[in-house]
Formats: sequence, C-alpha cells, structure tokens
Amino acid sequence: GESVGLHLPTLSVQEGDNSIINCAYSNSASDYFIWYKQESGKGPQFIIDIRSNMDKRQGQRVTVLLNKTVKHLSLQIAATQPGDSAVYFCAENIGYSTLTFGKGTMLLVSP
Amino acid sequence: DVKVTQSSRYLVKRTGEKVFLECVQDMDHENMFWYRQDPGLGLRLIYFSYDVKMKEKGDIPEGYSVSREKKERFSLILESASTNQTSMYLCASTFRQGPQQPQHFGDGTRLSIL
Repeated sequence: GESVGLHLPTLSVQEGDNSIINCAYSNSASDYFIWYKQESGKGPQFIIDIRSNMDKRQGQRVTVLLNKTVKHLSLQIAATQPGDSAVYFCAENIGYSTLTFGKGTMLLVSP
Repeated sequence: DVKVTQSSRYLVKRTGEKVFLECVQDMDHENMFWYRQDPGLGLRLIYFSYDVKMKEKGDIPEGYSVSREKKERFSLILESASTNQTSMYLCASTFRQGPQQPQHFGDGTRLSIL
C-alpha cells in the first residue's frame, strides 16, 4: 500500500542543522495545539503541545511557536538527527471538540 | 507510558466480509477513537467513545460500526468490507473527558480489501 508520506510537502536537511516545520491552522477559535511525529510503519507519536494562552513552549530539542494573529504554528527541531526523519503533523482543538489534524510534512535528514 | 495496542499490523480480507479491528489500552483511559489515514487526506475520524457502551459518529462513519463493551477495548467493525475501505486504521485514546489533552495512538492496522 502507499506510504502516508506520499503527496506531502518535504523538508530536506543535513544532520546537525536546525529544522523548522510549519503548520497553518484553520480555526481562530482553536485553543489547543499538538505536534505529532509519525515514523514509517508506526502510529503518530506525541511530541509537544501548547495552549492558546502561550506563544512558545520548549521541550527536549524541540520548540513550538504559536502565532495566533496569522493562525500559524511551527515546530523547531534543534541539531536534527537521522532519527528525526519522519512525517510531522499538527492538530488543533476547540474546547470539548475532537482534534482536527493537518496533512503533514515529511522531514528527511541526510547524514 | 501509555500503551495502545492494535491486534493486527496487517490484515487482508475479501469484499463483502465482516471485518473486526481490535484496540486495547492499558491506562484506564475513558476516551477512545478510530481513524483512517490515507495519502493526501490525513487522519479522518470514523467513530469515538467517551465511555463503555457509548459511541459517537465522527466525520466518516458510513460503512463502519463500533463496539465498546469494556473500558479498555474499542472495536471497529466493517459490516461488509469494500475495496474503498482499504486503508491504514489508527486507534487512539485520552485519559479523561475534557479539553486540552493529547491523543495517544497505536501503531495502526494496514487493511487491504481484495
């Protein structure tokens, strides 16, 4: 069957570079956002989340930035490693509603 | 760590068969979800459940049903499988009802309908 990675925008970086993956979300009322990582043959894995009352949140080697003015979310990965190669997608949520997922970006890291 | 387990990684069935996909979570989560994932379409919600014996339709429920007889187990049923149901199926769960919490996913079942 086809890989989930087909038809996706792709970001290619060298090992050690910083990566920035972007997501434009659809609803200005969304108040919670999540980034997921999906490796080939696996399910999505939670990376980091952020609430709408924040502009920035940092994790281990990852930072999420939220710009509510332009409805834009970004995931920054520092010192990208080959193991970071995967599809990354964002999800948004309003209150008690279910999550709405973006279609994703494929990150390819070259040694 | 949360563990969401889907019983089969790969499954091949024939058109017209009744197909059962099983999902179990081991963290006493209240909410469970079934998605399908297709290239170019992303994740689409089929059904979800907030409690035992409760179910809610998602965005694409047609051709599917679900069963939640026990809190830890959520089953997706294809009543009469068709080729357009060939897809990757993902199960997810969250701890409690309420906003602002991430869903935790299983590794998926890649289902092929011949």
